[in-house]
Amino acid sequence: GENVEQHPSTLSVQEGDSAVIKCTYSDSASNYFPWYKQELGKRPQLIIDIRSNVGEKKDQRIAVTLNKTAKHFSLHITETQPEDSAVYFCAASAYSGGGADGLTFGKGTHLIIQP
Amino acid sequence: ETGVTQTPRHLVMGMTNKKSLKCEQHLGHNAMYWYKQSAKKPLELMFVYNFKEQTENNSVPSRFSPECPNSSHLFLHLHTLQPEDSALYLCASSQDLFGLAGNEQYFGPGTRLTVT
Repeated sequence: GENVEQHPSTLSVQEGDSAVIKCTYSDSASNYFPWYKQELGKRPQLIIDIRSNVGEKKDQRIAVTLNKTAKHFSLHITETQPEDSAVYFCAASAYSGGGADGLTFGKGTHLIIQP
Repeated sequence: ETGVTQTPRHLVMGMTNKKSLKCEQHLGHNAMYWYKQSAKKPLELMFVYNFKEQTENNSVPSRFSPECPNSSHLFLHLHTLQPEDSALYLCASSQDLFGLAGNEQYFGPGTRLTVT
């Protein structure tokens, strides 16, 4: 089955600086890679996702890059703000052709934005 | 948010009890999922239902029994649980389109389960 590794487990950055979180996956059939943000006591929420037919996707201060050959993908947050403090999870799934596919998640990165 | 709701929000049960968790989605989605989130492990997929049919069981012990009577409702029946089953159980739903890889999964608030 799929295995997703995520680093670092904790990341502390100064407000206004950039943050980068990296993930690797093991199953070459994986073709969908979402990132979820989970604030303390709240549910995970999708912030950005990428499919295997593209190498990069941006949404304002957030970007995701995918390297299929190396089987790794990264989340980039620029101009960090205090509200970016949360736990971020990467995930992967392999489209099976049968409809719904469950996600395999990384262990999460606790992002701390220092004022 | 009312897209995906879960009840109860908190549950304490003994190892010999039988209880059920309920999930309801109001988004018109056709797929529903159960995930387990504990302090020691990342979000772990348990079950996947697509159009009411179970399409994935991620090697979950039989003391967890899912039920999906229709595309809007999902249950997780619990019996003879162990203390290590204490965790946050999250339900999610998505609208899956055949031929398109992956779609956003919307999570419920979770049920915090404590097994004593």
